[in-house]
Amino acid sequence: SQTIHQWPATLVQPVGSPLSLECTVEGTSNPNLYWYRQAAGRGLQLLFYSVGIGQISSEVPQNLSASRPQDRQFILSSKKLLLSDSGFYLCAWSVRHTYGYTFGSGTRLTVV
Amino acid sequence: EDQVTQSPEALRLQEGESSSLNCSYTVSGLRGLFWYRQDPGKGPEFLFTLYSAGEEKEKERLKATLTKKESFLHITAPKPEDSATYLCAVGGGNQFYFGTGTSLTVIP
Repeated sequence: SQTIHQWPATLVQPVGSPLSLECTVEGTSNPNLYWYRQAAGRGLQLLFYSVGIGQISSEVPQNLSASRPQDRQFILSSKKLLLSDSGFYLCAWSVRHTYGYTFGSGTRLTVV
Repeated sequence: EDQVTQSPEALRLQEGESSSLNCSYTVSGLRGLFWYRQDPGKGPEFLFTLYSAGEEKEKERLKATLTKKESFLHITAPKPEDSATYLCAVGGGNQFYFGTGTSLTVIP
């Protein structure tokens, strides 16, 4: 069966520090991978998606970036965090872009 | 413009009081409508997929239905453990759209 792992679960980082969140998927090949952000009381905002190794599409201009160094690994990064980067970050995978997603457990990021 | 709208934003029910959550969509080329449950501090958990108007799916106290313009998530005799945010998402064209969710609280 397919599983998705996301870590860390919580993270408190100072403004201006770097960020690296990692997501891996097991039990499937060539998945579509996604990074979402969910602000308190608001919906899911798509940040990045990837349909293959090295293929990254950005949906929202910001100081975040994403990389896909391996087929089942997706990384969300920042060189310098802003206060506005605080939120709940979710990784997800799907077979195809318009099919149902399976989500990771999420990372609560607080920038202080 | 393609979009997904959920109502109400929040719903408080007494235990055993049945009700329905609504998800309306204006997405062309529907490829599927998905319901998720999200508990606080956790990722959304998949509940149902509906593909065509008239389709229904059931799981315990939950029943999802689909028309050409909206979907309903019916909750029959809810229990406190059904308290969560319920998200609706629609796949259409080459995009995937999420609603903002309905926060359900079931009071014992």
